[in-house]
Amino acid sequence: ETGVTQTPRHLVMGMTNKKSLKCEQHLGHNAMYWYKQSAKKPLELMFVYSLEERVENNSVPSRFSPECPNSSHLFLHLHTLQPEDSALYLCASSPRQGVGQPQHFGDGTRLSIL
Amino acid sequence: AQKVTQAQTEISVVEKEDVTLDCVYETRDTTYYLFWYKQPPSGELVFLIRRNSFDEQNEISGRYSWNFQKSTSSFNFTITASQVVDSAVYFCALGLTNAGKSTFGDGTTLTVKP
Repeated sequence: ETGVTQTPRHLVMGMTNKKSLKCEQHLGHNAMYWYKQSAKKPLELMFVYSLEERVENNSVPSRFSPECPNSSHLFLHLHTLQPEDSALYLCASSPRQGVGQPQHFGDGTRLSIL
Repeated sequence: AQKVTQAQTEISVVEKEDVTLDCVYETRDTTYYLFWYKQPPSGELVFLIRRNSFDEQNEISGRYSWNFQKSTSSFNFTITASQVVDSAVYFCALGLTNAGKSTFGDGTTLTVKP
């Protein structure tokens, strides 16, 4: 069982819907991350949280809204998404926020926008 | 600016063959970390190895070995006697202390045929 759990595994939504992706880590880590992986594009870092504070926001459109209520949970709230937002969204955690920390990833949520 | 290049987009080998995945990085920093991750079809990225810039010692872990050469800015990954279960996308990543985050390469898709 992975230490990082993402739900749902698959999500299909219309452009006007509002949904949330959930990530939970059971590793006692203090840093959590959201990545977007599109077909044939590099892995894109979206958000970084350290001790529940957002430390990085990589020019992500406001239709993506992260939330980190505690160090074990991370959400990505979605609203009025566009077809180009269809992708695999990966959550990761690391013991601390820092470049030398190996990240542990969840299985991802495959998002399809109709 | 930092950059990671994985020139091999796709590699296909027959089981039991040895295969090397190339990774070339660019950075002006003297302190940095290098990572390899494996992404099987299920989606999650699995951490394989971390190397810091001051440790050029090559490492072997079972059928996996890594060759770090600062002179050529390369951190290549070799799988010996490949198996079908090695089929996955492999990502090389560069972590910079100043940037506080990792930059991922585009990934190499390895297919091992029986």
